[in-house]
Amino acid sequence: GENVEQHPSTLSVQEGDSAVIKCTYSDSASNYFPWYKQELGKGPQLIIDIRSNVGEKKDQRIAVTLNKTAKHFSLHITETQPEDSAVYFCAASNPRGEYGNKLVFGAGTILRVKS
Amino acid sequence: NAGVTQTPKFRVLKTGQSMTLLCAQDMNHEYMYWYRQDPGMGLRLIHYSVGEGTTAKGEVPDGYNVSRLKKQNFLLGLESAAPSQTSVYFCASSPPGHWNNNEQFFGPGTRLTVL
Repeated sequence: GENVEQHPSTLSVQEGDSAVIKCTYSDSASNYFPWYKQELGKGPQLIIDIRSNVGEKKDQRIAVTLNKTAKHFSLHITETQPEDSAVYFCAASNPRGEYGNKLVFGAGTILRVKS
Repeated sequence: NAGVTQTPKFRVLKTGQSMTLLCAQDMNHEYMYWYRQDPGMGLRLIHYSVGEGTTAKGEVPDGYNVSRLKKQNFLLGLESAAPSQTSVYFCASSPPGHWNNNEQFFGPGTRLTVL
């Protein structure tokens, strides 16, 4: 089955700097790669996703890139702000698989933005 | 819309006790999921359901049972709680696995401690 590895486990950046989180996946059939942000005491919330038919997607200060050949994808946050501090999870799935939209999550990255 | 709600928010059990966690969603989603979140391990899928009356095992199903008698509700049961089941439990729901509609919506979580 799918296995997703995420790095780094913790990341501290100065406010205004960029942050990059990287994930690798093992199943070449996976074709949907979401990123979730989890704030303290809350459930994860989708912030951006990418599908295997595109290489990059941007939404204001966040962007995601996908390299299908190398089977890795990355989250880029520019001009970081204190409110970006949270735990970020990458995930992978094959929505056209047999059952549901089963997501396999990475272990998470704790991002701290220092002001 | 309330989205995905979970009951209770916190619970402390003694080893061997049983309990049921309730998840409810008001988005008319077909798919529902139960995850557990442990430090350094991300979210792991316990059980999931692709529709009313159907359930299936996820990555870590042992010690848990589920039921989906109504489309809007997904129950997670622990028949005989063990300390290894101390965790934060998240319920999620999503529309069916079509190409353009894969986001999972998470509840706020239930923090369970088994003594």
